[in-house]
Amino acid sequence: DSGVTQTPKHLITATGQRVTLRCSPRSGDLSVYWYQQSLDQGLQFLIQYYNGEERAKGNILERFSAQQFPDLHSELNLSSLELGDSALYFCASSSGSPFNEQFFGPGTRLTVL
Amino acid sequence: KNQVEQSPQSLIILEGKNCTLQCNYTVSPFSNLRWYKQDTGRGPVSLTIMTFSENTKSNGRYTATLDADTKQSSLHITASQLSDSASYICVVSPANQAGTALIFGKGTTLSVSS
Repeated sequence: DSGVTQTPKHLITATGQRVTLRCSPRSGDLSVYWYQQSLDQGLQFLIQYYNGEERAKGNILERFSAQQFPDLHSELNLSSLELGDSALYFCASSSGSPFNEQFFGPGTRLTVL
Repeated sequence: KNQVEQSPQSLIILEGKNCTLQCNYTVSPFSNLRWYKQDTGRGPVSLTIMTFSENTKSNGRYTATLDADTKQSSLHITASQLSDSASYICVVSPANQAGTALIFGKGTTLSVSS
């Protein structure tokens, strides 16, 4: 158990809908990262927050947005969902240093029908 | 373009045997290189982290090597166990980049059979 929690574990929805994925980092970690892992694809970095502020952006679509709240939990919002958005979405946390290990949560499996 | 390529794509070995997984990267300059183990349907777990100045790092039966000149890394698994069956992912962190964005390889799927 990494100490990072993600909810829900599974999510099934229809095209055009909007969903929110939630992540709680390990106690004391200030940095939260979001990743997307599609079938047969490597993990793709989406976005990083550090202590409530956006720190880095990767291949995140404009239909996706994220935020980190004062209690350090984070939410990833996915809107106007398309079939291709079906994937595993992972959240990871670290204390924020570039060399610090990132601890991954168990992931949310999103299926868009 | 920054890329991380891993080989082989998949590998099947017998329990107790050794194996070596390869990682080639074009990320330059880079800050550090990591190997992760990902069990099916679960989040990746860090095995080793090496800075550009390190040549080798061990974690139990896992030994990672790094050649920054040829931009190659390998992960050697000794005396494999059934529980080693997983995807092994090579990850490179670019230097001089805001934030801590990582570039992931697609992974090598290892199956250990009895």
